[in-house]
Amino acid sequence: DADVTQTPRNRITKTGKRIMLECSQTKGHDRMYWYRQDPGLGLRLIYYSFDVKDINKGEISDGYSVSRQAQAKFSLSLESAIPNQTALYFCATSDPYLAGEYTDTQYFGPGTRLTVL
Amino acid sequence: EDQVTQSPEALRLQEGESSSLNCSYTVSGLRGLFWYRQDPGKGPEFLFTLYSAGEEKEKERLKATLTKKESFLHITAPKPEDSATYLCAVQGFQGAQKLVFGQGTRLTINP
Repeated sequence: DADVTQTPRNRITKTGKRIMLECSQTKGHDRMYWYRQDPGLGLRLIYYSFDVKDINKGEISDGYSVSRQAQAKFSLSLESAIPNQTALYFCATSDPYLAGEYTDTQYFGPGTRLTVL
Repeated sequence: EDQVTQSPEALRLQEGESSSLNCSYTVSGLRGLFWYRQDPGKGPEFLFTLYSAGEEKEKERLKATLTKKESFLHITAPKPEDSATYLCAVQGFQGAQKLVFGQGTRLTINP
């Protein structure tokens, strides 16, 4: 079973609709992230959370909101979707220390392909 | 502001033809440099982390090296299954430990 799962995997919606993308992880990591990927622009950070009570904006948070429901769950919402939010969305998790050594390697989910018409 | 530039954007090789991918970076204090592999329609898959200049890591046909300004991903005698986009990212001591990604190099290995 995958350690980081995302639902839905594909979504087509219309301008103005509210959309929620969900991420769950079984890795036991405290840190979770949401990225979007656009052709030619690479991965850009939308929001990140270092624990359940900690939520931080990334470089492109406008038009998005998040909710950290539990250590294992981190949801991304588009309150009123617009066409330029069409992209691949990835959730990632990390643990800054592994066996006492600093790593903070991020592990990614399979992605959600979102199309806004 | 931390920045990462990868080159070339795309690289096409014949099976067995070795080459290198480049990742140039600027960061205010490097905490770690990360390499990922991404197959079409899938999430990035972690390959390596490098922490200090001079460090090298290997995995099968891949070897990553690091200097103070750039990292190289060397691929030796590649096979078609090595075809993918390779992403480089840096994490600095500033900026709440966020990863900054390059645009990636799309590698195609022809049989």
